[in-house]
Amino acid sequence: RKEVEQDPGPFNVPEGATVAFNCTYSNSASQSFFWYRQDCRKEPKLLMSVYSSGNEDGRFTAQLNRASQYISLLIRDSKLSDSATYLCVVNYDSGNTGKLIFGQGTTLQVKP
Amino acid sequence: NAGVTQTPKFQVLKTGQSMTLQCAQDMNHEYMSWYRQDPGMGLRLIHYSVGAGITDQGEVPNGYNVSRSTTEDFPLRLLSAAPSQTSVYFCASSRGSRGQETQYFGPGTRLLVL
Repeated sequence: RKEVEQDPGPFNVPEGATVAFNCTYSNSASQSFFWYRQDCRKEPKLLMSVYSSGNEDGRFTAQLNRASQYISLLIRDSKLSDSATYLCVVNYDSGNTGKLIFGQGTTLQVKP
Repeated sequence: NAGVTQTPKFQVLKTGQSMTLQCAQDMNHEYMSWYRQDPGMGLRLIHYSVGAGITDQGEVPNGYNVSRSTTEDFPLRLLSAAPSQTSVYFCASSRGSRGQETQYFGPGTRLLVL
């Protein structure tokens, strides 16, 4: 079983749609959680951190469910520019450093 | 600030050749790391460094060496290239080493080993 699992998609949605991605993680000791965005053939960039209480940044909402060990990302009012791959990232302590585990990513394609 | 820079952008090697992928950051970050990204898989950690003179192995270190003589530079050496090392390589840096900080990635190096 992968430590961090995501549905690779692709998710094809029309502009203006609401779309949600889920990500599950296997290590209950995981401490911090992130969503990164990766455009085609580009480097990943931080989209948002995920907090226990849930957090929102404009059209993006991230939720964490520690009991079920999953995190989610909700995108409202999808734009063409939201088309990208969304990487779920989980961190837990490993000795003196953190260990980041990346999911394989979920691809979103927003259509006009 | 240039952020994290990587050279070259593309490289084709023959099996058995060696080469060095360069990575530099100008943000005075203590933590630097190298990942490879393969289709259908998440980024996998090759090597990392928590400061100048300190390096350690990640998840997939075999066939790669690193050194960290300065805070800014973190080169990745392929000792004897193999087709299994065909991948996209990303260098990243962050302010701290606890994994809670934003990771800043370079633009990547696309490597093809024939």
